Amino acid sequence: SQQGEEDPQALSIQEGENATMNCSYKTSINNLQWYRQNSGRGLVHLILIRSNEREKHSGRLRVTLDTSKKSSSLLITASRAADTASYFCATDGTQGSRLTFGEGTQLTVNP
Amino acid sequence: DAGVIQSPRHEVTEMGQEVTLRCKPISGHNSLFWYRQTMMRGLELLIYFNNNVPIDDSGMPEDRFSAKMPNASFSTLKIQPSEPRDSAVYFCASTLGVAGSNEQFFGPGTRLTVL
Repeated sequence: SQQGEEDPQALSIQEGENATMNCSYKTSINNLQWYRQNSGRGLVHLILIRSNEREKHSGRLRVTLDTSKKSSSLLITASRAADTASYFCATDGTQGSRLTFGEGTQLTVNP
Repeated sequence: DAGVIQSPRHEVTEMGQEVTLRCKPISGHNSLFWYRQTMMRGLELLIYFNNNVPIDDSGMPEDRFSAKMPNASFSTLKIQPSEPRDSAVYFCASTLGVAGSNEQFFGPGTRLTVL
């Protein structure tokens, strides 16, 4: 079964609005990663946050991690139509173990 | 760098035929992964190699699936015989280091249709 579970499954917003996606996981992790997948393409890495970090920024992306609640959120600010994609969180268990991907959030940004 | 290269990009075959998917990881990466993505099951890890050695093949569905990595720059995933339920997009990914520690770079995928 998938370790990470994204919420919501689908999100539709207007260009310029912020988009927030959440991820919950079940076991202890070393790090959590977020990926984007455009339709018909491979996954692209967005950001990695380690278990001892609480927040990380990259451009218009902001990721938070709450290990006590076993959850993470991905915030995309000032969204653009080009942000339309599926977003996945992925967690590792112990170092060297596989990444387990969630089912993803389908984000649609309407122009 | 050209990124992770997969071939073919699309494959249509009939049930019972052998299918071979190919992957060239990014030069210098020492871990390689084969994933399968379907609407029903999402993205599943099939097998993970580190330094050309299979480390975790617990995701390989059954004996019809086999994967090899004869050298650091090439890997194959073979399905023999193929079945309609094998229809999916198969991704290869690579990274430097061990599995979960760093970002993975994905190839464009091979869309397999088994009739």
